[in-house]
Amino acid sequence: EVQLVQSGAEVKKPGESLKISCEGSGYTFTNYWIGWVRQMPGKSLEWMGIIFPGDSDTRYSPPFQGQVTISADKSIRTTYLQWSSLKASDSAMYYCARKGVVSSDPIDSWGQGTLVTVSA
Amino acid sequence: QSVLTQPPSASGTPGQRVTISCSGSSSNIGSNTVNWYQQLPGTAPKLLIYKNNQRPSGVPDRFSGSKSGTSASLAISGLQSEDEADYYCATWDDSLNVYVVFGGGTKLTVL
Repeated sequence: EVQLVQSGAEVKKPGESLKISCEGSGYTFTNYWIGWVRQMPGKSLEWMGIIFPGDSDTRYSPPFQGQVTISADKSIRTTYLQWSSLKASDSAMYYCARKGVVSSDPIDSWGQGTLVTVSA
Repeated sequence: QSVLTQPPSASGTPGQRVTISCSGSSSNIGSNTVNWYQQLPGTAPKLLIYKNNQRPSGVPDRFSGSKSGTSASLAISGLQSEDEADYYCATWDDSLNVYVVFGGGTKLTVL
């Protein structure tokens, strides 16, 4: 069974750094892309970026370029989303999601989500 | 403002048939396949329809999808109370440096 398990909820102050994780299991980790999706309270889904753990090829959606860093450690089947200096507007639910290598492949599995709260 | 346009809300009574539309452009829906996701309250999204009209195993055949030109639709027949959720369409856009674009979501209420 394919599973993406994310790290737990975080409460941070503005200006602090943060790294959240997503561990994949039940499939060949290096054969699929992993993307990150933001969902602000009561809002739609926003695609942040994607990484191919096999070779760490990473692409960012323009609004998130330079705002976050996506990385992966294939030795422990884990991808990461990190911020160097959080803002209150980063408060949201963040999901990791798996996507196949063919462009028409859908996102077919999602993590359970990591709630990030940034407040002074 | 989402790249794909969905109605913010839809509703129906148990047993009814409901459709949710998703409108895009030639650079996204017009040239790529469409996927649909169901997000039950407080949970992660779940793949409901992929490649316009394919159902993953375990998804009831009450759910169906279609695409024509730059628009797509999700239909739910025999509406049930457990179908009350947010529904999102998604595809990718050839003109943006983005792998996936989502619709704004439609909140389905079962009356």
